[in-house]
Amino acid sequence: NAGVTQTPKFRILKIGQSMTLQCAQDMNHNYMYWYRQDPGMGLKLIYYSVGAGITDKGEVPNGYNVSRSTTEYFPLRLELAAPSQTSVYFCASKFGAGDEKLFFGSGTQLSVL
Amino acid sequence: QQQVKQSPQSLIVQKGGISIINCAYENTAFDYFPWYQQFPGKGPALLIAIRPDVSEKKEGRFTISFNKSAKQFSLHIMDSQPGDSATYFCAASIRGYQKVTFGTGTKLQVIP
Repeated sequence: NAGVTQTPKFRILKIGQSMTLQCAQDMNHNYMYWYRQDPGMGLKLIYYSVGAGITDKGEVPNGYNVSRSTTEYFPLRLELAAPSQTSVYFCASKFGAGDEKLFFGSGTQLSVL
Repeated sequence: QQQVKQSPQSLIVQKGGISIINCAYENTAFDYFPWYQQFPGKGPALLIAIRPDVSEKKEGRFTISFNKSAKQFSLHIMDSQPGDSATYFCAASIRGYQKVTFGTGTKLQVIP
């Protein structure tokens, strides 16, 4: 059982480049999340989705976009990368509203230079 | 009101000692308080969680103490081991609500 799979694990971008962080889960979870983790700042919610076709903004959505066409996949798109987007990105999922346990992927470390 | 304040930011404990991490919240609607453990290069993983209808929950060497009136909860790691060295996040959420609010994390180092 793979759980939550994130790719790539590491990436270096130049300022202004774009990329998509991939996230897939095989647990048939309805809810999926994108967080960024910065030193001393904890986990900040970027975007989340409660099902295919439904997404909403979190605390820090600027500079990012998401889509969710299927239950399994929840990609995060960075347009015009900026140094402030240097961070570790985590995808997470949970089954639904009555289930509180979050399952996290192993993260993508992104540097924007 | 959605904040969860966590302290200390870092903690060094000798092997066999007790590690204590504290969190405080403002939103009285929170009704689920988990702790996540994160090892370097890995994503956080649920360690233990408590609901406000109990004041303490124990799982092995890990205990959550919950003080509803003070709006505080804490993680106690008894007989701390070097393998417990990790970053610990407290969190809070409302049952049935989509979002989870995380504390800023505590980096624990257990030295031999």
